[in-house]
Amino acid sequence: QLQLQESGSGLVKPSQTLSLTCAVSGGSISSGGYSWSWIRQPPGKGLEWIGYIYHSGSTYYNPSLKSRVTISVDRSKNQFSLKLSSVTAADTAVYYCARGSGERFFDYWGQGTLVTVSS
Amino acid sequence: QSALTQPRSVSGSPGQSVTISCTGTSSDVGGYNYVSWYQQHPGKAPKLMIYDVSKRPSGVPDRFSGSKSGNTASLTISGLQAEDEADYYCCSYAGSYTPVVFGGGTKLTVL
Repeated sequence: QLQLQESGSGLVKPSQTLSLTCAVSGGSISSGGYSWSWIRQPPGKGLEWIGYIYHSGSTYYNPSLKSRVTISVDRSKNQFSLKLSSVTAADTAVYYCARGSGERFFDYWGQGTLVTVSS
Repeated sequence: QSALTQPRSVSGSPGQSVTISCTGTSSDVGGYNYVSWYQQHPGKAPKLMIYDVSKRPSGVPDRFSGSKSGNTASLTISGLQAEDEADYYCCSYAGSYTPVVFGGGTKLTVL
């Protein structure tokens, strides 16, 4: 059974960079045909797709966040990461990592991690 | 403002059926058969309920069904049960520039 687990700082100061990692177990991140996504949910609000990386290393980002987002993969550790720069209070959210079947759907999700942007 | 439009809330009594709509455009819902639906209980991660408009993952009850007409996709839950009370989100592929768009979510209340 595939499992995803987010980790990283739960508190980030404004203007700094948010960094999260998603550890994948029960399967290989290098398996073909899958994308590895970050999705966030501000408190009390809906889901927002941030971006994803394919097993090939190709990345796709939400245009509204593209200038601040970097998603990368570490195959040796079977994990992928998110960096979001120049954060503001509007970036406060629960951040989820998820496996996608290409861009069709997301079938496995992490439990989510709350990141608060505050001084 | 979300890219896909869903009703804020719907409700139904146990045993009844409810339908949640998800309206997009010809650039997303109407243009591809890549609509998915997610159920989210409070404090939990979303769970895939429907993919490719109308397909059910293994383990999802057949009370959940999906369809699409034009630019509007729909999730129908028949034989409502108390545990169906949750938030539901639609999602669609929207082309190479913005591959993924979500709806704003619908809160389902089982009366």
